[in-house]
Amino acid sequence: EPEVTQTPSHQVTQMGQEVILRCVPISNHLYFYWYRQILGQKVEFLVSFYNNEISEKSEIFDDQFSVERPDGSNFTLKIRSTKLEDSAMYFCASGGTGETQYFGPGTRLLVL
Amino acid sequence: KNEVEQSPQNLTAQEGEFITINCSYSVGISALHWLQQHPGGGIVSLFMLSSGKKKHGRLIATINIQEKHSSLHITASHPRDSAVYICAVQKTSYDKVIFGPGTSLSVIP
Repeated sequence: EPEVTQTPSHQVTQMGQEVILRCVPISNHLYFYWYRQILGQKVEFLVSFYNNEISEKSEIFDDQFSVERPDGSNFTLKIRSTKLEDSAMYFCASGGTGETQYFGPGTRLLVL
Repeated sequence: KNEVEQSPQNLTAQEGEFITINCSYSVGISALHWLQQHPGGGIVSLFMLSSGKKKHGRLIATINIQEKHSSLHITASHPRDSAVYICAVQKTSYDKVIFGPGTSLSVIP
């Protein structure tokens, strides 16, 4: 069964540092998403990406965040200068034509 | 107001019991998802529904589009079913998924 993969599974960083979270979507999918879940809260949408550009972003996705698909297979989320409140589980998802979204296993980010 | 609500918030059941988790939503949707999240945090998709009913093993999901309501049933529950069950919706096919708050299920042997 095809799956979405994410690396790393866990990341610990110091406040103010840049982090890059990586995702490998399912190979023939065209729609890509990042979500996050702060501990004890529900999953929230961050951004969707299609045709090499952002198609929608939430108010959480401010100038500190960016996404790109650098090589046609990876899909990355960059946080430029991490804050304590960025500590969360980050999920990548991908979707194809008429298909459900498939979620990756998540990256647990801890900002100290 | 949250667009997706679930009940109950927490549920404890004895092994073997029949379990129902309810979801109601307030927006027009193209699809509704039921997802499972284990303590490790990963999300697993259980069902995607746009109408009717789906069954997979001991899990059954139903949706009533007119009433904007869906239920997830677990028959003959088992301790390994202990997890958070999340209802989520999509307004259109390629739209973001809007998540409910989740129902935390604990099945006791």
